[in-house]
Amino acid sequence: KAGVTQTPRYLIKTRGQQVTLSCSPISGHRSVSWYQQTPGQGLQFLFEYFSETQRNKGNFPGRFSGRQFSNSRSEMNVSTLELGDSALYLCASSVPAGGTDTQYFGPGTRLTVL
Amino acid sequence: KNQVEQSPQSLIILEGKNCTLQCNYTVSPFSNLRWYKQDTGRGPVSLTIMTFSENTKSNGRYTATLDADTKQSSLHITASQLSDSASYICVVNPFNAGNMLTFGGGTRLMVKP
Repeated sequence: KAGVTQTPRYLIKTRGQQVTLSCSPISGHRSVSWYQQTPGQGLQFLFEYFSETQRNKGNFPGRFSGRQFSNSRSEMNVSTLELGDSALYLCASSVPAGGTDTQYFGPGTRLTVL
Repeated sequence: KNQVEQSPQSLIILEGKNCTLQCNYTVSPFSNLRWYKQDTGRGPVSLTIMTFSENTKSNGRYTATLDADTKQSSLHITASQLSDSASYICVVNPFNAGNMLTFGGGTRLMVKP
């Protein structure tokens, strides 16, 4: 089975712009979660989608949003970019949501905001 | 204050030696506790998942333990290899929170020949 794929892998934007990141989960996985990783804050939960519905949302401003499509692919959007949004954005998928299900992470999208 | 604290922050050991990484958490109640390995520039990879009722879980040379009474977990690596050089992250899944995981800051392990 192909793993979780994320596109693009690298992205450079300037302050004030908006960005859309894409995540394709492992075939058959219906839960997709997004995380932000920075050197200062480590890994932090952004949001989780299951069957096109947002199940949980982390403590991030409304500039961060996401959605999931009927084929389980997911996108996250960050509007009005700030320097502090520079981070590695990771997507993870699992079969159902939560419990003891193993999450499989993608390689991440490294976003740099100038 | 972070709800999941890991120690040490970094560790250097010689190839073939054993080591133990520590994780203290305050998240309660929780569904499960996980250990992930993250190589530089890659996404984390799951090593072990333990429910609140389990005490130990092994995955090859990796053995995780959990003491829910003291809210402590450890990851023991046996006969370390150069490929074990990575960050190891302790993660707690709060009860009834889906995949809304709480992450520790990680321990960066370097294995030297």
